[in-house]
Amino acid sequence: AQSVAQPEDQVNVAEGNPLTVKCTYSVSGNPYLFWYVQYPNRGLQFLLKYITGDNLVKGSYGFEAEFNKSQTSFHLKKPSALVSDSALYFCAVRDIIYSGNTGKLIFGQGTTLQVKP
Amino acid sequence: DADVTQTPRNRITKTGKRIMLECSQTKGHDRMYWYRQDPGLGLRLIYYSFDVKDINKGEISDGYSVSRQAQAKFSLSLESAIPNQTALYFCATSGTANEKLFFGSGTQLSVL
Repeated sequence: AQSVAQPEDQVNVAEGNPLTVKCTYSVSGNPYLFWYVQYPNRGLQFLLKYITGDNLVKGSYGFEAEFNKSQTSFHLKKPSALVSDSALYFCAVRDIIYSGNTGKLIFGQGTTLQVKP
Repeated sequence: DADVTQTPRNRITKTGKRIMLECSQTKGHDRMYWYRQDPGLGLRLIYYSFDVKDINKGEISDGYSVSRQAQAKFSLSLESAIPNQTALYFCATSGTANEKLFFGSGTQLSVL
């Protein structure tokens, strides 16, 4: 079955420290992987995606994510956290076999990132 | 102006009432989606549409219906609202299957 897991409900980091938000997935075929961020009272905004190619993907606002096929993971990272990064982060996967050409995404349950000054 | 606009932003209704949530977009995208967000569950797909004649059920379509009135408009209806439909609802669009989704700001629906 296709699934996405974000094992941490909340991640707390101090401003200036590196941050990691974890994501693991399970799909039948090759995955297309996405990260979205949701700020309070806003819709989700796209951060980055992995389709193919280099396992390290760079995205908006200084975020990056590393695709690890053997560990079926796609963790979101940032070298130096900002207070303004505090938000709800969602990992999502598209299973090519399951979704065909529909573009349907399966979302994780979300991880709240809290960056403290 | 927002690329994807949802109305209303907030709605409180009573059990058994019919309610419609509306979504319009200026992206020119053919693909439109309705998701609901529940705390701890992430986003779940309700319905999606590739054009005005192509409507498809998502993983949780029971109790919902949709209408694609035009390329730019995709509305979600709850024919007889029930309390467990209390959630945050998002409309989204995309250009192709591999492109990112563009989300509206959401509609917070409370069914009493």
